[in-house]
Amino acid sequence: QVQLVQSGAEVKMPGASVKVSCKASGYTFTGNYIHWVRQAPGQGLEWMGRISPNNGGTNYAQNFQGRVTMTRDTPVSTAYMEVTRLTSDDTAVYYCARESPNSNGWWFDSWGQGTLVTVSS
Amino acid sequence: QSVLTQPPSASGTPGQRVTISCSGSSSNIGSKTVNWYQQLPGTAPKLLISSLNQRPSGVPDRFSGSKSGTSASLAISGLQSEDEADYYCAVWDDSLNAWVFGGGTKLTVL
Repeated sequence: QVQLVQSGAEVKMPGASVKVSCKASGYTFTGNYIHWVRQAPGQGLEWMGRISPNNGGTNYAQNFQGRVTMTRDTPVSTAYMEVTRLTSDDTAVYYCARESPNSNGWWFDSWGQGTLVTVSS
Repeated sequence: QSVLTQPPSASGTPGQRVTISCSGSSSNIGSKTVNWYQQLPGTAPKLLISSLNQRPSGVPDRFSGSKSGTSASLAISGLQSEDEADYYCAVWDDSLNAWVFGGGTKLTVL
């Protein structure tokens, strides 16, 4: 079965960077985009961007341009998301999600368990 | 401020039918399929249904999705206590070149 397993919780100082991993299994990793979505405490979902595991192409949400980098390592079926220049506003649970086609478009049919990133001095 | 507007809360009693709305614009809901996600407390979101009423396997047919113009709706019939969760609509936005989510609706089963 499809599984996305993320790395563990992180605590970072303001100004630092964090890199979260998302290991895929149960399907051909290069066949589907991986998206990153975050959720601040008590808040809704926010799309950050996506990466094509096939060619490494990325698209970032405007709010994260210049501060987020998404990469992948295809031999180990793992996607990564790095956020730099962290502030307290970046404290959130970060999710990876697999994009799949449906009858008339696309949806996120499988999600990682989430990684809590806490930014605190 | 979310691009998609959802009511912050909804409620119903067991067995009832409840509807959750999601309002957008021509650059998103008006031209694209909307997807709905369920998030149980303390867990990751889970894919529920699309606005074309397509469900992944395992999602009961008590859940239905629809769309009209620039608004989409999620209906839950035969409400059960296990349906108590946050519900989010999501769609691709052609103007923003981004996926956008609604602010979420907290469903309470009374």
